[in-house]
Amino acid sequence: TQLLEQSPQFLSIQEGENLTVYCNSSSVFSSLQWYRQEPGEGPVLLVTVVTGGEVKKLKRLTFQFGDARKDSSLHITAAQPGDTGLYLCAGAETTDSWGKLQFGAGTQVVVTP
Amino acid sequence: DTGVSQNPRHKITKRGQNVTFRCDPISEHNRLYWYRQTLGQGPEFLTYFQNEAQLEKSRLLSDRFSAERPKGSFSTLEIQRTEQGDSAMYLCASRSTGLDTGELFFGEGSRLTVL
Repeated sequence: TQLLEQSPQFLSIQEGENLTVYCNSSSVFSSLQWYRQEPGEGPVLLVTVVTGGEVKKLKRLTFQFGDARKDSSLHITAAQPGDTGLYLCAGAETTDSWGKLQFGAGTQVVVTP
Repeated sequence: DTGVSQNPRHKITKRGQNVTFRCDPISEHNRLYWYRQTLGQGPEFLTYFQNEAQLEKSRLLSDRFSAERPKGSFSTLEIQRTEQGDSAMYLCASRSTGLDTGELFFGEGSRLTVL
């Protein structure tokens, strides 16, 4: 059972469009991370957020951690085909358990030229 | 390449056989994690080591599963008497608690198919 619910499960958009992926939970997390995973590869960390209300920007990607530290969102502006991949959110319950993560099921994003 | 290395990358076996996967973490990382990922799901935590000590095991890790990290460097994950439900990608990850950015570095995974 996944404690983190991601939505939507699948998203297909055209190059240049914007998209938002959501990650929700009833649990409070000390930190939340976003990973991107490509077929046949392991997940690669995009960002870690630790403070409620925190917003981080990574080029065209904007990450937000909810005030109550239970939810997060990932927004991509002007998506490119290289953004295609499985986006996973993952939460750690305590700072000592930052490696023992609860993952969501992921959102598969496909960006077509 | 100084990333996390896993082998074999793919393993096809018959039900009832034993399989072993190896993980070589980033050399200065003291913590090593095993996760399992099935199709359409995110990774699920199995177990982790700090140096050679196995500190926690998930209840997902049945008695048929055993993991070791004998010298605090590489780790092995053995599955005995494999079942079809064991088919999954087994991911290894490592991190250092010394300079803790919280980042987990994952290997490329070992995909197991049990026929």
